[in-house]
Amino acid sequence: EAGVTQFPSHSVIEKGQTVTLRCDPISGHDNLYWYRRVMGKEIKFLLHFVKESKQDESGMPNNRFLAERTGGTYSTLKVQPAELEDSGVYFCASSRPPGLLDETQYFGPGTRLLVL
Amino acid sequence: AQSVTQLGSHVSVSEGALVLLRCNYSSSVPPYLFWYVQYPNQGLQLLLKYTSAATLVKGINGFEAEFKKSETSFHLTKPSAHMSDAAEYFCALLPPNFGNEKLTFGTGTRLTIIP
Repeated sequence: EAGVTQFPSHSVIEKGQTVTLRCDPISGHDNLYWYRRVMGKEIKFLLHFVKESKQDESGMPNNRFLAERTGGTYSTLKVQPAELEDSGVYFCASSRPPGLLDETQYFGPGTRLLVL
Repeated sequence: AQSVTQLGSHVSVSEGALVLLRCNYSSSVPPYLFWYVQYPNQGLQLLLKYTSAATLVKGINGFEAEFKKSETSFHLTKPSAHMSDAAEYFCALLPPNFGNEKLTFGTGTRLTIIP
């Protein structure tokens, strides 16, 4: 079973530019999550999709961040325009549908974003 | 609101010595608890999890953790450290109710193994 994949692995952009991160969850996982770790701090929740619907987006920092999951498969997270404080590692995770008795969220390798 | 505290952002142990990484949590209801590990240049990998069954949980690579409700702790241990254990370790909490599935993480502990 293939794991969660994320693209790109690294991105270096200038302030004001746009960046789009992609996450492909494990096949069959309805739940998809985005998290972010700013340097030296804890990993923080951004949002949660159930299939194509946003279940919880309480962690999204501001309206410069837009997440989508069209068709309930892969997800994209767009930052537009990027600011210096957006630098960090963006993790994606997925988990099985509720009721299948597996609460584990499986994480991807992350995208390291550096905004200059 | 729930929170996770990991005491010690950096821990160094000698190869062959006991590994003890501390995690304390705060939650209004008994949570599910997880330890994840991040090896250099890799993503987060699940080490072990507690989901209200046995309080002593065994994970991969010889690690185990014990859920202690009275101490609100979930410390990670390994009897004998190996060089390959050098990594960053994260303790995380999940409320045990559907509809609130965001993990709350501690700040992480970087483990260094001294040859």
